[in-house]
Amino acid sequence: AQKITQTQPGMFVQEKEAVTLDCTYDTSDPSYGLFWYKQPSSGEMIFLIYQGSYDQQNATEGRYSLNFQKARKSANLVISASQLGDSAMYFCAMREGPYGGATNKLIFGTGTLLAVQP
Amino acid sequence: EAQVTQNPRYLITVTGKKLTVTCSQNMNHEYMSWYRQDPGLGLRQIYYSMNVEVTDKGDVPEGYKVSRKEKRNFPLILESPSPNQTSLYFCASSPADLGTQYFGPGTRLLVL
Repeated sequence: AQKITQTQPGMFVQEKEAVTLDCTYDTSDPSYGLFWYKQPSSGEMIFLIYQGSYDQQNATEGRYSLNFQKARKSANLVISASQLGDSAMYFCAMREGPYGGATNKLIFGTGTLLAVQP
Repeated sequence: EAQVTQNPRYLITVTGKKLTVTCSQNMNHEYMSWYRQDPGLGLRQIYYSMNVEVTDKGDVPEGYKVSRKEKRNFPLILESPSPNQTSLYFCASSPADLGTQYFGPGTRLLVL
């Protein structure tokens, strides 16, 4: 069963507008972590934001915020005031358990390609 | 600057010719992992290491070896590469306290 689902293969957004990238997850472990990474065309994986399952507040990092709805098992990424440099592939990922089941493994979604238009 | 480095960044080789992709981190992280990224399959863990001399298989370990002789280094070895190992490879590291995984820049491997 897919554990991380990103239903938007691609999205367009106008420069300076906000955009929400969807992510739903599936786990029975009460302790888990959720991550968003950005992969520009150059290929590197850039960490954006992290949300722990026990965190009371939604995580924020600059223009990035994570809309964490635990009951719905969703962890959507919100990018405010989009910039041309935000055009990239975005991956949602989950680590199950305190140490990813001792493997520290991240389970990735299939990604959403975001294109920011001027 | 805190970072994970990989070398080489690009590699073209032929079937059966042994190769090593190096990975080094300067953040004193305990955990290190190797992933491969393939279209439609996302990133999958190949091997991981919880500390020096402690390594174990991830989801797709066949055809790969690793070693962790020093905390900072975690090389990936392909003893006899095959075309199905053509992929984008990432090394990642994280601290033991549930910290974020930081990825290297990736190594694009083509096996002919």
